[in-house]
Amino acid sequence: DAGITQSPRHKVTETGTPVTLRCHQTENHRYMYWYRQDPGHGLRLIHYSYGVKDTDKGEVSDGYSVSRSKTEDFLLTLESATSSQTSVYFCAISEWSGGQPQHFGDGTRLSIL
Amino acid sequence: KNEVEQSPQNLTAQEGEFITINCSYSVGISALHWLQQHPGGGIVSLFMLSSGKKKHGRLIATINIQEKHSSLHITASHPRDSAVYICAVRLIGNKLVFGAGTILRVKS
Repeated sequence: DAGITQSPRHKVTETGTPVTLRCHQTENHRYMYWYRQDPGHGLRLIHYSYGVKDTDKGEVSDGYSVSRSKTEDFLLTLESATSSQTSVYFCAISEWSGGQPQHFGDGTRLSIL
Repeated sequence: KNEVEQSPQNLTAQEGEFITINCSYSVGISALHWLQQHPGGGIVSLFMLSSGKKKHGRLIATINIQEKHSSLHITASHPRDSAVYICAVRLIGNKLVFGAGTILRVKS
């Protein structure tokens, strides 16, 4: 199994509070991704990174920011959480950007009350 | 309309049955992925296809590029096959688009 660890695995917080989710990999893969998964929707890309300090927006990036200061860590921050951001968040990694599968973390279940 | 549509949304089968899950897409792609998500939440990649057919154990995946359609088959289904099966297509520009998933329950 690819070495991907997401933390925390579960979090409950209140509207308006900042939240940071961490994705840590031990595979030295260049690409890292943050997705959210909601009922009735496929996984949707929030942000991705193609290298240290190199990030770009996905299709649902509003309200989220990311940082990648080291190859192994990709952080997702909700500056002021809203109830619409209640979701399951998945991190994924890949060596290259295309033509190969991504390896996924186990997910973080985030509830915003 | 989603670029990737899966059917059925939910499927219940008896142990031993042959199962087919379908995926249709509406855009040009460079590859199609099938993934499995177990109740614990983890997602694993089963297949990546750009043409033809692939087989791994009791799982078979096929793709018809002209018809923009792929199927995932499970032979001799078992309760441990119960999971969500997700189809994802890689668009020509490398963007990955996911279907909403098919929830499979295999009863013993």
